[in-house]
Amino acid sequence: DVKVTQSSRYLVKRTGEKVFLECVQDMDHENMFWYRQDPGLGLRLIYFSYDVKMKEKGDIPEGYSVSREKKERFSLILESASTNQTSMYLCASSLDTGFYGYTFGSGTRLTVV
Amino acid sequence: SQQGEEDPQALSIQEGENATMNCSYKTSINNLQWYRQNSGRGLVHLILIRSNEREKHSGRLRVTLDTSKKSSSLLITASRAADTASYFCATARANSKLTFGKGITLSVRP
Repeated sequence: DVKVTQSSRYLVKRTGEKVFLECVQDMDHENMFWYRQDPGLGLRLIYFSYDVKMKEKGDIPEGYSVSREKKERFSLILESASTNQTSMYLCASSLDTGFYGYTFGSGTRLTVV
Repeated sequence: SQQGEEDPQALSIQEGENATMNCSYKTSINNLQWYRQNSGRGLVHLILIRSNEREKHSGRLRVTLDTSKKSSSLLITASRAADTASYFCATARANSKLTFGKGITLSVRP
């Protein structure tokens, strides 16, 4: 089974801090995604990547950046954390969206105080 | 932008009953997928149905797709308390990322 591991389940950070959320998948998936999930808003795509060193903006990229230096690792960076970035962050990977579903990590619940 | 919209938003049934959840979408798709999320956890992929398929089964799950009506339904038969979760539909266009709906909260009473 493909496994997607997110480095932290819970994280508390201060306003203005730079925050790194790490995601690692153990299968050879090209595609990786970062979503945030908020009550009443569902899942919203922040960034995704179809290959190493490649990234594309999703629906809500403002305030975020990403890094994909190796195929298995996709990092989400909050350049200067703000309270409105308090959310559940979900990482996912996929072999081919046309034929396979996504495998999600367990999520990181980030609180910015 | 949200492509899929689930209906109802919340559903409460007795153990042993069937649960039917619906999803509607707006544009043409390559496939439609259903996911489950237990409280505070990541999503788990349940089933994928391609645009040229009309019905698919997996265990107690049955998914239908009507591309003319741009809608899908997920049926869980003989529900169990362990089926209590949020369910999401997600749509994919060709060579593209998934877009998720806001989810349906299913409660199965013992």
